Amino acid sequence: DQQVKQNSPSLSVQEGRISILNCDYTNSMFDYFLWYKKYPAEGPTFLISISSIKDKNEDGRFTVFLNKSAKHLSLHIVPSQPGDSAVYFCAASGGSQGNLIFGKGTKLSVKP
Amino acid sequence: NAGVTQTPKFQVLKTGQSMTLQCAQDMNHEYMSWYRQDPGMGLRLIHYSVGAGITDQGEVPNGYNVSRSTTEDFPLRLLSAAPSQTSVYFCASSYSRIMYQETQYFGPGTRLLVL
Repeated sequence: DQQVKQNSPSLSVQEGRISILNCDYTNSMFDYFLWYKKYPAEGPTFLISISSIKDKNEDGRFTVFLNKSAKHLSLHIVPSQPGDSAVYFCAASGGSQGNLIFGKGTKLSVKP
Repeated sequence: NAGVTQTPKFQVLKTGQSMTLQCAQDMNHEYMSWYRQDPGMGLRLIHYSVGAGITDQGEVPNGYNVSRSTTEDFPLRLLSAAPSQTSVYFCASSYSRIMYQETQYFGPGTRLLVL
């Protein structure tokens, strides 16, 4: 039973436009959510996070929105760049020391 | 700094064989962990360690053993490989378990194929 779901395996966006990646979770005990980015043949790298006491966190071109009532979060990338092409994983945990539960990932392709 | 290194990069095993996946970090990190990523799946935590001599199980520990005799090294042992263990294995390290999710460095991965 998947606790963290990324229902879109892939997303293609034109350079300069907005990319929106979605993630749903089922476990009400999750209170800390993160996005990781992964390039081929490399390990994942942390991108941005949000705790359950917030509904938005922004870092440059990246913004994560959290809707606790819907158990839904999204990552917005504006403007999208070809270098953003990668697999994006949504992850959740209970607290700052909890084990991470990952979604299956969404492959983002940003076309020039 | 070499960061987190993993060896080998790729390995083919036969069912029943044993092997050790190596992971080393040179950042004096206390927290280390092992994940596996299956095709079309997210990463799943196998085992983790909060310091030398201390290990604990993650989400999918069965079929794997770990030990942490030094701060730098955290090997993952497959005692009797099974086809279900075909996966890409990632090692990660962080200075501390507190907020490790944001601060952990991942190695490049070991691709394992069990026939």
